Amino acid sequence: DTGVSQNPRHKITKRGQNVTFRCDPISEHNRLYWYRQTLGQGPEFLTYFQNEAQLEKSRLLSDRFSAERPKGSFSTLEIQRTEQGDSAMYLCASSLAAGGGMTGELFFGEGSRLTVL
Amino acid sequence: AQKVTQAQTEISVVEKEDVTLDCVYETRDTTYYLFWYKQPPSGELVFLIRRNSFDEQNEISGRYSWNFQKSTSSFNFTITASQVVDSAVYFCALIGGSSNTGKLIFGQGTTLQVKP
Repeated sequence: DTGVSQNPRHKITKRGQNVTFRCDPISEHNRLYWYRQTLGQGPEFLTYFQNEAQLEKSRLLSDRFSAERPKGSFSTLEIQRTEQGDSAMYLCASSLAAGGGMTGELFFGEGSRLTVL
Repeated sequence: AQKVTQAQTEISVVEKEDVTLDCVYETRDTTYYLFWYKQPPSGELVFLIRRNSFDEQNEISGRYSWNFQKSTSSFNFTITASQVVDSAVYFCALIGGSSNTGKLIFGQGTTLQVKP
């Protein structure tokens, strides 16, 4: 399968615990995005990387959230001291960008669903 | 501010009916991109179409067609002869600005149920 891969697909945790999600993008894509989707809503942008550089972070991304893409390939999204409000689907997407702009569509993974009890 | 509105929360049709999903957008950018994505129960968002603001030609792809009208800031999506497999949540999305960073602004989605 050469699509965007995310794991774990489901995570149930207790409030206050830390969780980490991993995203493996399509191999030739230099851009990687994280979005969050709550029930009944459209996805909301969290952050994105071009290669290993994190270029933008949404105000939705509080200090408890950190994302990395250390070698410009896979990325991790860590949530520290989880709160019930963090319960959502975390979507990863990748794309190819050239000349500073995105040249095509975003390819999304199936998401990682987080439930905080 | 940029915004995408999908006023139809849920639509239910019987197989073979035509159905139109509405999308209205707001942006002050003169260059922007509009998208439609399909989200089946598996959760993965599937890309359907991308249009830029300078291309108002309508597009048809099989049973799918899109009507882009800048005058009304709308980008509507029609499925002709709907099938059960079309049942999903459909999202309209916008990227404003020429830089095209990939920061999609999504609407709230329209859940389409196609009954046999």
